[in-house]
Amino acid sequence: EAGVAQSPRYKIIEKRQSVAFWCNPISGHATLYWYQQILGQGPKLLIQFQNNGVVDDSQLPKDRFSAERLKGVDSTLKIQPAKLEDSAVYLCASSLDPGRRPSYEQYFGPGTRLTVT
Amino acid sequence: AQSVTQLDSQVPVFEEAPVELRCNYSSSVSVYLFWYVQYPNQGLQLLLKYLSGSTLVKGINGFEAEFNKSQTSFHLRKPSVHISDTAEYFCAVTRNSGGSNYKLTFGKGTLLTVNP
Repeated sequence: EAGVAQSPRYKIIEKRQSVAFWCNPISGHATLYWYQQILGQGPKLLIQFQNNGVVDDSQLPKDRFSAERLKGVDSTLKIQPAKLEDSAVYLCASSLDPGRRPSYEQYFGPGTRLTVT
Repeated sequence: AQSVTQLDSQVPVFEEAPVELRCNYSSSVSVYLFWYVQYPNQGLQLLLKYLSGSTLVKGINGFEAEFNKSQTSFHLRKPSVHISDTAEYFCAVTRNSGGSNYKLTFGKGTLLTVNP
């Protein structure tokens, strides 16, 4: 079974530029998560999708971050414009539909390391 | 809301020594608890989980953890570590919501360094 795929793995941009990250979850996983992991901290949830609907985006800085999950499969996270404090690893994870056990188990991709200079 | 405190940011140990990584959580509702491991430049991998039942749970790579409800702790242990166990370890909690919206809250992580 293929895992969660993310691209690019690394990205360096200047502040005020825009950037986009892509995630392909495990086949059949209805729920998709984007996390931000700043150096020295644990991952923090940015947004959670169930199929192509948003379940939780309470910690997403909506003035600069946006995310979409078209057709309930792949997802894109965008930052525009980027700030220095956005330097972090962006992790995508997926899990089964809440109606199917074990939906609490999240599978993580390798992440995208963003450096904003 | 839930919160997680990992009491040690770094734990250095010698190979074949025992290790304990400490985790305390705070929640007003029933929770599920997890330990994840992150190797350099990789995503997170689930080590073990506590859902219900026996308070001692066993995971992959010889790790185990004990859930202590009265002390709100979920410490991770391994009786004999290997060089390959060097990694960052994260404790996480989610509300036991009965099947919907499992939002993980992570601790800040503990860097385990195993020295020869």
